[in-house]
Amino acid sequence: GAVVSQHPSWVICKSGTSVKIECRSLDFQATTMFWYRQFPKQSLMLMATSNEGSKATYEQGVEKDKFLINHASLTLSTLTVTSAHPEDSSFYICSASGPGYTEAFFGQGTRLTVV
Amino acid sequence: RKEVEQDPGPFNVPEGATVAFNCTYSNSASQSFFWYRQDCRKEPKLLMSVYSSGNEDGRFTAQLNRASQYISLLIRDSKLSDSATYLCVVNPGAGGGNKLTFGTGTQLKVEL
Repeated sequence: GAVVSQHPSWVICKSGTSVKIECRSLDFQATTMFWYRQFPKQSLMLMATSNEGSKATYEQGVEKDKFLINHASLTLSTLTVTSAHPEDSSFYICSASGPGYTEAFFGQGTRLTVV
Repeated sequence: RKEVEQDPGPFNVPEGATVAFNCTYSNSASQSFFWYRQDCRKEPKLLMSVYSSGNEDGRFTAQLNRASQYISLLIRDSKLSDSATYLCVVNPGAGGGNKLTFGTGTQLKVEL
């Protein structure tokens, strides 16, 4: 399967600061990238879908001004959690898909802790 | 009704047991179906795709029933290393743009 690399693996930040998470497709062109969030003992919840070169589509209840998504190239998408608060602490995972693929490939996830 | 519903679990089984998980989905137009495995604090990893004809990969067998909108996963001769959360995943297809919908997951614990 295709490889998706996500960084950082974990981050601890102070309340009020912003954190950027990167998601890269290493060996294929990711025309679509998805960002998920997973709270403890819960399933993955889709936050937003981004297509290369266009604005992201956010799921209901996800604040687009708080979770900034940029997908400027076919191999890179970034999620910036702005003005992070403790309730934003979660496991954030990206996945990517491209032409010819029916499944999506996941990054390793980023565990964010806001203190 | 949730888009993808799974057995609540957790399932605690002895090593060597056979265990089955079930999943139902609400969108009858869904195109692709998968079982993913997620270990604690890790990203989900694709276990297997699911086809109407049924497919088998070693100790794992997956089955899809489109008429009943039902997906199953059977694990035979379970190993300690099979302990994980198993996620039923549905892809609505071209119109949905590969937007995967996840079930809540079923936790499996294989014990000595």
